[in-house]
Amino acid sequence: KNEVEQSPQNLTAQEGEFITINCSYSVGISALHWLQQHPGGGIVSLFMLSSGKKKHGRLIATINIQEKHSSLHITASHPRDSAVYICAVRSNRDDKIIFGKGTRLHILP
Amino acid sequence: DSGVTQTPKHLITATGQRVTLRCSPRSGDLSVYWYQQSLDQGLQFLIQYYNGEERAKGNILERFSAQQFPDLHSELNLSSLELGDSALYFCASSVLNDSPLHFGNGTRLTVT
Repeated sequence: KNEVEQSPQNLTAQEGEFITINCSYSVGISALHWLQQHPGGGIVSLFMLSSGKKKHGRLIATINIQEKHSSLHITASHPRDSAVYICAVRSNRDDKIIFGKGTRLHILP
Repeated sequence: DSGVTQTPKHLITATGQRVTLRCSPRSGDLSVYWYQQSLDQGLQFLIQYYNGEERAKGNILERFSAQQFPDLHSELNLSSLELGDSALYFCASSVLNDSPLHFGNGTRLTVT
């Protein structure tokens, strides 16, 4: 079992829909990152969380440390949101960064 | 623009060869991270340096080595290259250990 699990693996939705991507992890962490990778390959950091909730524009990220779970929400989704979303955690035991396998999101116009 | 510069963008080399990938972090960032992304493995953490010292080590092969110089730029050396080393290699930087990450555009390595 992977230490960081993301669901779903693939998601296709219509423009305007509310999107939720989930990340569960099994290790103790000091921080969790949500990353976005566009088809061209570039990676952008969306959020870094250690507790609670953060919002940036149409994106919201939450984390529940007790349940070892984080969610990334996209409101009013748009075709330009189509990308791979990757969850990554930093282990508080050895500082290693562990990645989920990513969620491929496709928003249809 | 993340402020992180990676060179070269593309590299094609033969098996058995050695290459060096370079990363200049965003101004003010003390941490540099190296990651490998191959088609079948996803993103893998290789190694992190903080202010010149190795901070954390991931799935880095013994044939690979890295260092961070006094001016904070970093180099990733890959030797005795194999076909399976073909991948995108990303560098990222951050101010502190648990700060947002800033990614470079990656170096695409093709081993033939």
